[in-house]
Amino acid sequence: DGGITQSPKYLFRKEGQNVTLSCEQNLNHDAMYWYRQDPGQGLRLIYYSQIVNDFQKGDIAEGYSVSREKKESFPLTVTSAQKNPTAFYLCASTPTRGAEAFFGQGTRLTVV
Amino acid sequence: DQQVKQNSPSLSVQEGRISILNCDYTNSMFDYFLWYKKYPAEGPTFLISISSIKDKNEDGRFTVFLNKSAKHLSLHIVPSQPGDSAVYFCACILGGTSYGKLTFGQGTILTVHP
Repeated sequence: DGGITQSPKYLFRKEGQNVTLSCEQNLNHDAMYWYRQDPGQGLRLIYYSQIVNDFQKGDIAEGYSVSREKKESFPLTVTSAQKNPTAFYLCASTPTRGAEAFFGQGTRLTVV
Repeated sequence: DQQVKQNSPSLSVQEGRISILNCDYTNSMFDYFLWYKKYPAEGPTFLISISSIKDKNEDGRFTVFLNKSAKHLSLHIVPSQPGDSAVYFCACILGGTSYGKLTFGQGTILTVHP
């Protein structure tokens, strides 16, 4: 079955540590995105990539980094510079000419 | 600055009745609009969309209306079912920019009572 897989579903991190969230898709979509959801807020765009080896900052990129070495994969690293990392993180993808983004199941990151 | 707003945090509806979810936006350059449904601890799933050249789009029980002059869109669910209970997000895309780069509202929690 085609889809977007995010792992792990739950992640705990100590303050000061970097952590990487995985996102893999087998939909052959060109573009991939990372969003963050906080309680009472909509999803906010962190980073996006329209093509391999290229990515752009979204609205809240500070404290995050990404890479796009393969079409199928778009990992997100939450660095120690991110001041409020506890949130629900969602990865999404779109085909070349599609506007409707398809989302993964999300990763709940908690800083302890 | 919140460009997309869903002013009702929650909505409660009886099964079989109509659910109307509202969304307002401020950026007149948005030209494509979507509704997503989300269950807790899951990713959003796409429901229905509408282009700025239309004022209505229908898909089964779901209809989206767009009023460009008022910068307002709404989602109508008729008839509402208990399985429709979820958080609903509206999302907008700027014209001429990358697809999938969505600006979301805060969401409305819909509860449909049997």
